[in-house]
Amino acid sequence: DVKVTQSSRYLVKRTGEKVFLECVQDMDHENMFWYRQDPGLGLRLIYFSYDVKMKEKGDIPEGYSVSREKKERFSLILESASTNQTSMYLCASRLTGGHQPQHFGDGTRLSIL
Amino acid sequence: AQSVSQHNHHVILSEAASLELGCNYSYGGTVNLFWYVQYPGQHLQLLLKYFSGDPLVKGIKGFEAEFIKSKFSFNLRKPSVQWSDTAEYFCAVNTANTGKLIFGQGTTLQVKP
Repeated sequence: DVKVTQSSRYLVKRTGEKVFLECVQDMDHENMFWYRQDPGLGLRLIYFSYDVKMKEKGDIPEGYSVSREKKERFSLILESASTNQTSMYLCASRLTGGHQPQHFGDGTRLSIL
Repeated sequence: AQSVSQHNHHVILSEAASLELGCNYSYGGTVNLFWYVQYPGQHLQLLLKYFSGDPLVKGIKGFEAEFIKSKFSFNLRKPSVQWSDTAEYFCAVNTANTGKLIFGQGTTLQVKP
């Protein structure tokens, strides 16, 4: 069974802090994704990565960056956290191919004060 | 821009009632279609998917969905819901020319015992 592990379930940070969210998958998946989930808006794609060292902007990349130095790990970085980045953040991974399902982590509920 | 629309945002049913959740997408080319479910406190998990073949697909826990290409729809159905089906349901579409999965806004299903 695929396991996608996000480093924190809950996180509280202050405005202006640099925040790191970590995600690790154990199934050698090439593709990894970061979403944010907000009520009434569904999941919105922030960034994704097709493979190591590769990254592509999603639909809402502003204020975020990512790092993929190893295949199994995909990090989301909030450069200078703001209150409008308070949200649930979901990481996902999948094998290459649009028909492949994505496998999700449990999510990190991030609050920016 | 490609989009996915779920018509019902909040559905309340009694146990044993039949369920149909609507999903429409805006893209004229080849698509891969998914329904995901998020039970309270759990991660998103795949219910079912369609990428080719029989347009009526069966998933886990008695769910099924029908792809109607002419209507750009992929509605989710279950003949008889249970209290344990209480969850949030997301329709998602992946087009053949992008690696991105686009999610609908989600439908919250509440099943009364």
